[in-house]
Amino acid sequence: DSGVTQTPKHLITATGQRVTLRCSPRSGDLSVYWYQQSLDQGLQFLIQYYNGEERAKGNILERFSAQQFPDLHSELNLSSLELGDSALYFCASSPRLAGVRETQYFGPGTRLLVL
Amino acid sequence: GDSVTQMEGPVTLSEEAFLTINCTYTATGYPSLFWYVQYPGEGLQLLLKATKADDKGSNKGFEATYRKETTSFHLEKGSVQVSDSAVYFCALSDPSNYGGATNKLIFGTGTLLAVQP
Repeated sequence: DSGVTQTPKHLITATGQRVTLRCSPRSGDLSVYWYQQSLDQGLQFLIQYYNGEERAKGNILERFSAQQFPDLHSELNLSSLELGDSALYFCASSPRLAGVRETQYFGPGTRLLVL
Repeated sequence: GDSVTQMEGPVTLSEEAFLTINCTYTATGYPSLFWYVQYPGEGLQLLLKATKADDKGSNKGFEATYRKETTSFHLEKGSVQVSDSAVYFCALSDPSNYGGATNKLIFGTGTLLAVQP
């Protein structure tokens, strides 16, 4: 158990809908990362938050957004869903913003299926 | 940009066989290197890491050495078990490439290991 929790574990929805994925980082970790794992794109970095502020962006679609709250949990919002958004979404956390010795610890993921 | 290349899978071995999964990287800075493992139906678990050249990461019988001269970080285990069956991901992070602002991970495509009894 990494200490990172994600809810829900599974999500089935329809095209055009909007969903929210939730992540609670390990106790004391200030950085939260979101990744998408899909069959065609592999594991890709989406976005990073540190202590409530967005700090780095990857290949995140404009239809997707995220935020980190004062209690440090984070939410990833996916809207106008398309079939191609079906994937496993991981959250990871680490203590600091960045550093050579930083290690990210991953949650169990949320499996999203868009029908 | 930075990238990671892993050997294609699946890799199928008999129990107690020797394992090597090749990983090479391209990076402009001084990356840290990682191996993560994903067991069926589960999330990613850190297996081992190395943060500078010639460092050796090790855990649960797995080892990998950070070779800057060959830009490689190959994963090895002397004797695999059925319970080692999983997908293995090589990854790098390079905060120096982003002004120290992020440790975002760049992953390889993953290598499926299947160990038969």
